[in-house]
Amino acid sequence: GAGVSQSPRYKVAKRGQDVALRCDPISGHVSLFWYQQALGQGPEFLTYFQNEAQLDKSGLPSDRFFAERPEGSVSTLKIQRTQQEDSAVYLCASSLGQYSVGTEAFFGQGTRLTVV
Amino acid sequence: GESVGLHLPTLSVQEGDNSIINCAYSNSASDYFIWYKQESGKGPQFIIDIRSNMDKRQGQRVTVLLNKTVKHLSLQIAATQPGDSAVYFCAENKGAGGTSYGKLTFGQGTILTVHP
Repeated sequence: GAGVSQSPRYKVAKRGQDVALRCDPISGHVSLFWYQQALGQGPEFLTYFQNEAQLDKSGLPSDRFFAERPEGSVSTLKIQRTQQEDSAVYLCASSLGQYSVGTEAFFGQGTRLTVV
Repeated sequence: GESVGLHLPTLSVQEGDNSIINCAYSNSASDYFIWYKQESGKGPQFIIDIRSNMDKRQGQRVTVLLNKTVKHLSLQIAATQPGDSAVYFCAENKGAGGTSYGKLTFGQGTILTVHP
């Protein structure tokens, strides 16, 4: 497909379990973003990659959250020792350029994480 | 702190009516604003954007108005259709283009319901 792909679509984790969420951006897209969307809220920025470099991780809520994009393509968001407040939809977005916003940013369908 | 917010959390209209969704922002440094549509189980989808040096921009059936004096943004949808039913978010970017990389701050969202 031509869009941003995220997997899994749904993830149920027991409290304390580690999870890994995957994002396949559109091929050739330089910029990749992760957002967290709580129920009934707008997405909130977590982190930004330009190719393999993580240029901004100011939105990561704690050191339990870790993101990587080792080859500048696929990205993984890892959450260690999950807690109930981590329950949310995690959205990935990619854009072609390094300074792109709006029309050039495409979102995936998200991964809904539920921590029980 | 500075934020983007919405006046109305829900809006119900009849098919064929015009819809107006409002958004207030407080970050005067933001110079780029975007409206997104999010359907259930999907990621945000770009609708229309506007830069701070404009006060109006029109797309297909949609118009965005920006009033910088009162820091207010609105989305007008003409001849609203049932397929327009979704959650609508405004988002802002500080310093779009140039050295900005497209990090977005989203508002809370408005649920639009269109009745046939």
